[in-house]
Amino acid sequence: DGGITQSPKYLFRKEGQNVTLSCEQNLNHDAMYWYRQDPGQGLRLIYYSQIVNDFQKGDIAEGYSVSREKKESFPLTVTSAQKNPTAFYLCASSIEREGTDTQYFGPGTRLTVL
Amino acid sequence: QQQVKQSPQSLIVQKGGISIINCAYENTAFDYFPWYQQFPGKGPALLIAIRPDVSEKKEGRFTISFNKSAKQFSLHIMDSQPGDSATYFCAASSGTSYGKLTFGQGTILTVHP
Repeated sequence: DGGITQSPKYLFRKEGQNVTLSCEQNLNHDAMYWYRQDPGQGLRLIYYSQIVNDFQKGDIAEGYSVSREKKESFPLTVTSAQKNPTAFYLCASSIEREGTDTQYFGPGTRLTVL
Repeated sequence: QQQVKQSPQSLIVQKGGISIINCAYENTAFDYFPWYQQFPGKGPALLIAIRPDVSEKKEGRFTISFNKSAKQFSLHIMDSQPGDSATYFCAASSGTSYGKLTFGQGTILTVHP
């Protein structure tokens, strides 16, 4: 089956710890994205990557870091510098093809800071 | 100028009724307008999308209406069903920001049986 997987589904972190959220896709998509979702605020873009070994900051990149060493993988690290990291994190991917901007989302990771 | 404003925040409809969610945008460079449906604890899924060369697109019970001059677009759900209860997001993107979507704030739809 093709799709996007995110792990873990639930993650608990103590204050001051860095945590890494996994995102893997086997859709052969070029672009990948990380969003943060908070109640009543929609989806806010954290980072995105259009090709391997390249990525750009989104609207709320402070306190987060990413890497894109493989086409299939786009892990997100939530660092201790992120002031309010408790949220639902969504990974998405899309194919670089003119006329198609459809993003396919993973099931999400809910991060809670204790 | 990158904002997409969505209303209402929440909507309650009786089974069989029509659900209408509205979005407005400012950036005239936007040329792709998708709607996503999200169930609790799940990732959003593409429901229907439109480009500004048409004023309306229909897929089953779901219709997008697009008004380019007013910079507004809306989602209509006909014959709403309890299974349609979910959060709906509108979004927009432009060819100059390939693939980078700007999302509305979301509408929580509840359809009562």
